[in-house]
Amino acid sequence: AQKITQTQPGMFVQEKEAVTLDCTYDTSDPSYGLFWYKQPSSGEMIFLIYQGSYDQQNATEGRYSLNFQKARKSANLVISASQLGDSAMYFCAMREYNNNDMRFGAGTRLTVKP
Amino acid sequence: GAVVSQHPSWVICKSGTSVKIECRSLDFQATTMFWYRQFPKQSLMLMATSNEGSKATYEQGVEKDKFLINHASLTLSTLTVTSAHPEDSSFYICSASNWGNTDTQYFGPGTRLTVL
Repeated sequence: AQKITQTQPGMFVQEKEAVTLDCTYDTSDPSYGLFWYKQPSSGEMIFLIYQGSYDQQNATEGRYSLNFQKARKSANLVISASQLGDSAMYFCAMREYNNNDMRFGAGTRLTVKP
Repeated sequence: GAVVSQHPSWVICKSGTSVKIECRSLDFQATTMFWYRQFPKQSLMLMATSNEGSKATYEQGVEKDKFLINHASLTLSTLTVTSAHPEDSSFYICSASNWGNTDTQYFGPGTRLTVL
């Protein structure tokens, strides 16, 4: 069963504007972690941000913030002040601590327009 | 963040040959390493999870005799694609973690395998 859902295959944003990439998940494990990775055309996976299921506050890392709504099981990534270099594939992932592995969503391709 | 390397970054081989891909954690001890496969414009699919010193756990549908994984030390895991065929052509990415110290997985740069 699909546990991580990214419903936006592609997104466009104007440079310097903010953009939200959606991610919903499904788990019965009370302990889990949510991750966002960026994959540019070079193929490397770049870790962006992490949110633990017990974290009370939304995670932030520079221009990245994670809008964590536990009851809705959503973990949207917000990128503020988009830059041209933000154009890439973005993957949401979840690790259930009972399983010890990480599962990825289908990804969203973000294109930043000048 | 932690650094994970992969070697080679790309490889072209003939059908029927075997290819070994190395994954190294350069500045931390990886208790667990993961191997993923990614087809063009698709997401990462977990192939197997390996813990240092024990046999890898393969995902359903992944042939363990075809994709041999060895995790002999806390800094090195290898994936050997045996008797490669064109359908094995893909982007293979490893990741490493030390769950005791961090919840994050760190990824290698990937290896692009092309089987002719």
